[in-house]
Amino acid sequence: QVQLVESGGGVVQPGGSLRLSCAASGFTFSYFAMHWVRQVPGKGLEWLTFIRFDGSDKYYADSVKGRFTISRDNSKNTVYLQMSSLRPEDTAMYYCAKGYCGGDCSFDYWGQGTLVTVSS
Amino acid sequence: DIQMTQSPSSLSASVGDRVTITCRASQGISNNLAWYQQKSGKAPKLLIYAASSLQSGVPSRFSGSGSGTDFTLTISSLQPEDVAIYYCQKYNGAPWTFGQGTKVEIK
Repeated sequence: QVQLVESGGGVVQPGGSLRLSCAASGFTFSYFAMHWVRQVPGKGLEWLTFIRFDGSDKYYADSVKGRFTISRDNSKNTVYLQMSSLRPEDTAMYYCAKGYCGGDCSFDYWGQGTLVTVSS
Repeated sequence: DIQMTQSPSSLSASVGDRVTITCRASQGISNNLAWYQQKSGKAPKLLIYAASSLQSGVPSRFSGSGSGTDFTLTISSLQPEDVAIYYCQKYNGAPWTFGQGTKVEIK
């Protein structure tokens, strides 16, 4: 069965950096696009970033452009989110999600999330 | 960027009621629309993709319709386990924007 397991969340000071990982299993990882989505507790879903199945295309939300970087290692079935210049407003639950295809599709599986808290 | 607007923001209905949630895109998105269900403390779950295609394993009481700018999610007979927040999402290119969510409760 498809599993997505995020890790790397925690407490970080404003201006700090953090790298999230999402380990995938149960499907051919290299065939599918991956995304990161976040959710401030009690608020709605915010799409953050996309990476195509082969890593050839990446897109970012304006709120994180220039601060966050998505990458993937198809040999390790893992997608990453490198976050830098973190702000208190980046505090949220961060989910990775699997694209339903290699490019522009809906998200058919989600991880359980990893919590990031930006606070001094 | 295309904005996605859901209505209502919350609703309360009785078990067995027909429930309808609307999602409007600020520009046409063809049928590139998905619906997700998020129960309290859980990750979202895909219900509907391509506006009207039911994801495998989702109960048939859920259905979607629409194309262009106006879309609808219908629960034909509300069940207690359907208490959740429902989100629409467009996926015709970046950004993959979500609606603000509709909270569904049992009366």
